[in-house]
Amino acid sequence: DTGVSQDPRHKITKRGQNVTFRCDPISEHNRLYWYRQTLGQGPEFLTYFQNEAQLEKSRLLSDRFSAERPKGSFSTLEIQRTEQGDSAMYLCASSLIKGSTAYEQYFGPGTRLTVT
Amino acid sequence: AQTVTQSQPEMSVQEAETVTLSCTYDTSESDYYLFWYKQPPSRQMILVIRQEAYKQQNATENRFSVNFQKAAKSFSLKISDSQLGDAAMYFCAYRGRALTFGSGTRLQVQP
Repeated sequence: DTGVSQDPRHKITKRGQNVTFRCDPISEHNRLYWYRQTLGQGPEFLTYFQNEAQLEKSRLLSDRFSAERPKGSFSTLEIQRTEQGDSAMYLCASSLIKGSTAYEQYFGPGTRLTVT
Repeated sequence: AQTVTQSQPEMSVQEAETVTLSCTYDTSESDYYLFWYKQPPSRQMILVIRQEAYKQQNATENRFSVNFQKAAKSFSLKISDSQLGDAAMYFCAYRGRALTFGSGTRLQVQP
């Protein structure tokens, strides 16, 4: 297993279009996280899944954003009717939870979205 | 809500020297984890070091060590014998249900 992967790595879209990103976590990891990182800032939490259940959504995740993790494996993040303010790096991370012990999050390379 | 503050937007160090990056945080929890992540230019975020709040001993990973002051809510990262490959953005993070990151410190390493 080579780690967390994300596809595409770069996406340029016009305002108003819909985009979808994919994240493949480390195979044995049961938690998957989405973060957004704007230039010069630290990542900000968007949402996370434990297996296929979406357990928490940040207030940053507007109604135009939706995330899924069917079957508890890969996840998709869709942004509808994109706006210029959506331009950012979208990071995916995964980790393992065993009982009450949470292990480190491992990050993917990110998808850089540019909305023109 | 937890907050993480990194007050040094940029730091510079000479190769082979030691540098300390600062981080403070705010939480009402008593048991938590703190992390330092490194993000090289155009490359993905990697974990540098972690600290469990219940442990009094400061974590160490090779050239990287932390100074964890729980009462002061301070969590600084010391890099010894700095190398050119250490140049990157460094983020301090607090783990609640997810990670809360600081705004980062850009470290430059001068040859």
